[in-house]
Formats: sequence, structure tokens, C-alpha cells
Amino acid sequence: DQQVKQNSPSLSVQEGRISILNCDYTNSMFDYFLWYKKYPAEGPTFLISISSIKDKNEDGRFTVFLNKSAKHLSLHIVPSQPGDSAVYFCAARYSGGGADGLTFGKGTHLIIQP
Amino acid sequence: DVKVTQSSRYLVKRTGEKVFLECVQDMDHENMFWYRQDPGLGLRLIYFSYDVKMKEKGDIPEGYSVSREKKERFSLILESASTNQTSMYLCASSPDYYEQYFGPGTRLTVT
Repeated sequence: DQQVKQNSPSLSVQEGRISILNCDYTNSMFDYFLWYKKYPAEGPTFLISISSIKDKNEDGRFTVFLNKSAKHLSLHIVPSQPGDSAVYFCAARYSGGGADGLTFGKGTHLIIQP
Repeated sequence: DVKVTQSSRYLVKRTGEKVFLECVQDMDHENMFWYRQDPGLGLRLIYFSYDVKMKEKGDIPEGYSVSREKKERFSLILESASTNQTSMYLCASSPDYYEQYFGPGTRLTVT
């Protein structure tokens, strides 16, 4: 059963506009969430994270929002730039899970159009 | 900067061959991980290690084994490669239970 879901395989946004990538989770034990960005033929790179004690975290053009009651988080990129075209993975973990790996969603391919 | 390196970017092997994928990190991280990435399936955890000589199975360990003889090095072994193991393999390391740092990946093709 997929515990972290990214229901949009791809998203196309015009340059300069806002990109909103969504992620839903089912495991209520998750207490830490991360977004990774991945270019083709490269490893994922960490983008931004949020703890479950917060509902918003901002870093430059990137903001992550967490709605715990809805088990939903979103990544906002504004303004979108051509270099933002990549696959974005949402990931989650819970503190009681020990040293095991993150649980990833399947990814959303963001395409920024000029 | 954290650096995670993987021994090969691209690898082509034949069915039945034993395959070694090497990963090295230079930040003295306790935890290391092996994932595979497949289209439409995202990243799936194969094995992880939280200390030297310690290993734990992830979500899809079948057909794989690992070795961690030194803290900085984590190896993934395909005992007898099969075509369904054609994939992108990603190694990661982490100082804690949260953020992970990924290597560039190895694109393995098994023919």
C-alpha cells in the first residue's frame, strides 16, 4: 500500500507563474517531510523540509505547506524558472522508525514552459 | 559539502553475472542506503545500514545483498543479475534519521 502519494505524474507551468506540487500521505505516524528535486541522470538533491509541528516552511522561492488534518502537503515554487524543470519527490518518515530509509512518492515531473 | 560517490555511472551486465555497485561517502555518516528508481514507481528502498557490519532489509531486498565493512563504504551486490534488475540505483548517506544525501546514481542494464 502506497503511504506517500503524488497523484500528478506531470505538471506543466508557464515561466514566472506559480508551481504547486501536491503530496498526500496515509501514515499518521509520519512527522517529518522532505522534498527532493531530481534531474535526469543525477541523484536527488534535497530541496526543503518541514516538521509536523509546523504548518509552513519557506526558503527563497520554495515554500512547503503541511495540513496534518488532511494528511496533505504541497510545495509552492514562485516564480517558476526554467531550471526548476525536474522530477520532484515527496518523502516522509517518522521518528519512531529508526534508521530506516525515507518513504518516497512516485514523483511529479514539473515542466516549466517559456 | 557532503559528497557521495558511486563507482560507475553506467553499467551493462549479462544475465547471471554477479554485480557489485560501490558507494562511498566522505562525511562520516552513520547511515547509508541503497534505493532503486524505476519509472512510475519512484524510489524504493533495497537495503540500509546504520553502522559498520550492520544491515537491514528495506522494501525490496530480494535478489540483492549488501556489505558494509568500513563506515564510508556501502556495497550493493546482485548475486545473479536478472533483466528485471535493470534500473537506476541510488546510494544515499545520512547523519541522522532525516535528510539524506544522494550520489549521482548508477544506470544498470542487464541483458
